[in-house]
Amino acid sequence: QKEVEQDPGPLSVPEGAIVSLNCTYSNSAFQYFMWYRQYSRKGPELLMYTYSSGNKEDGRFTAQVDKSSKYISLFIRDSQPSDSATYLCASQGANTDKLIFGTGTRLQVFP
Amino acid sequence: EAEVAQSPRYKITEKSQAVAFWCDPISGHATLYWYRQILGQGPELLVQFQDESVVDDSQLPKDRFSAERLKGVDSTLKIQPAELGDSAMYLCASSLRKGATQYFGPGTRLTVT
Repeated sequence: QKEVEQDPGPLSVPEGAIVSLNCTYSNSAFQYFMWYRQYSRKGPELLMYTYSSGNKEDGRFTAQVDKSSKYISLFIRDSQPSDSATYLCASQGANTDKLIFGTGTRLQVFP
Repeated sequence: EAEVAQSPRYKITEKSQAVAFWCDPISGHATLYWYRQILGQGPELLVQFQDESVVDDSQLPKDRFSAERLKGVDSTLKIQPAELGDSAMYLCASSLRKGATQYFGPGTRLTVT
């Protein structure tokens, strides 16, 4: 079993839809949770960073972490075609810099 | 905006050949990481440097892979000999210090034939 599990998709939605992307993790030691966006043939770009449980909002993006259920979510409101990319969740323990990534979910937003 | 630079962007090599990748981190970033991303999977850490010292190379296949960061700035990752299973994207990332946000470069896509 991988430490971070993520549905690879693809997920296809119309422009303007609310998108929900999810991950689960198994290691209780994880304290930091991130979402990266990766466009085709590019490196991952940090979108959201959350410490422990709770919500964090940045524009159209909201990240949620529920440590009791080991569940990580990213919501995208008013999705745009430019949001079409692969979204990677990542987790990190308190005493390490090593990021553990999910497989990534490929999102396609069509006009 | 400062970025992590990597070269080459694409590399095709035959199995059993040697191949090398170069990374120049964001200026002033003390921590440098090499990740490998196989198609359809998330990146996996190969090696982490703090300045010129290796912090973690537990996932680096040391029989064929080597990495160095001699002056604590840019870094080279080498594979010798390359195998078909090494085909992947090799990503370099840097952070200001240990525990800080990691910024990724565009990657080097390696194809071994």
